[in-house]
Amino acid sequence: DTEVTQTPKHLVMGMTNKKSLKCEQHMGHRAMYWYKQKAKKPPELMFVYSYEKLSINESVPSRFSPECPNSSLLNLHLHALQPEDSALYLCASSQVTYQDTQYFGPGTRLTVL
Amino acid sequence: QQQVKQSPQSLIVQKGGISIINCAYENTAFDYFPWYQQFPGKGPALLIAIRPDVSEKKEGRFTISFNKSAKQFSLHIMDSQPGDSATYFCAAYGRDSNYQLIWGAGTKLIIKP
Repeated sequence: DTEVTQTPKHLVMGMTNKKSLKCEQHMGHRAMYWYKQKAKKPPELMFVYSYEKLSINESVPSRFSPECPNSSLLNLHLHALQPEDSALYLCASSQVTYQDTQYFGPGTRLTVL
Repeated sequence: QQQVKQSPQSLIVQKGGISIINCAYENTAFDYFPWYQQFPGKGPALLIAIRPDVSEKKEGRFTISFNKSAKQFSLHIMDSQPGDSATYFCAAYGRDSNYQLIWGAGTKLIIKP
């Protein structure tokens, strides 16, 4: 099973709201990723967790806060977002290293009003 | 040096025809070249991948051709079908790209019935 699940599928939030995106995988992968994808563009890496530790933060604004409670779960906490943060947020996982295939979830379509 | 250049931006092919998408890179440290297929509203899905010690890899109707000396690789879709209509991204990994997939800009492929 190569499935990465994400919830919710769609999210609409105001600029003062606090919300969370969730990602789950049961493939035993030890690397998990958050990406942001704007329309007609490739995904942009935001964060990488390796063995539940944050290993890469691509200079993402602090209004995005990642969390990895265990090896199967990855959360992205959102607070005080801007309309330009509206995008498809993708979670991915891979076995361990950069050479391992990344498997993507279906994404959460986020709209910030 | 970290770029992957993808062409064309969009492509229209008749059903049954051959679809060809090209990518070029500069960084000779790249050693893994995946192609992802993305349908609207979905996450990217790994289609096929190649390493530079192989000049061609075929999976069903999909073939990657790899030219190490020219630093180019391409995706060929034989007998293209309307269900192949999607956006295709080439990407590359290397030792010095850490966990980062370096993505091409994407090609929107439309197969006309």
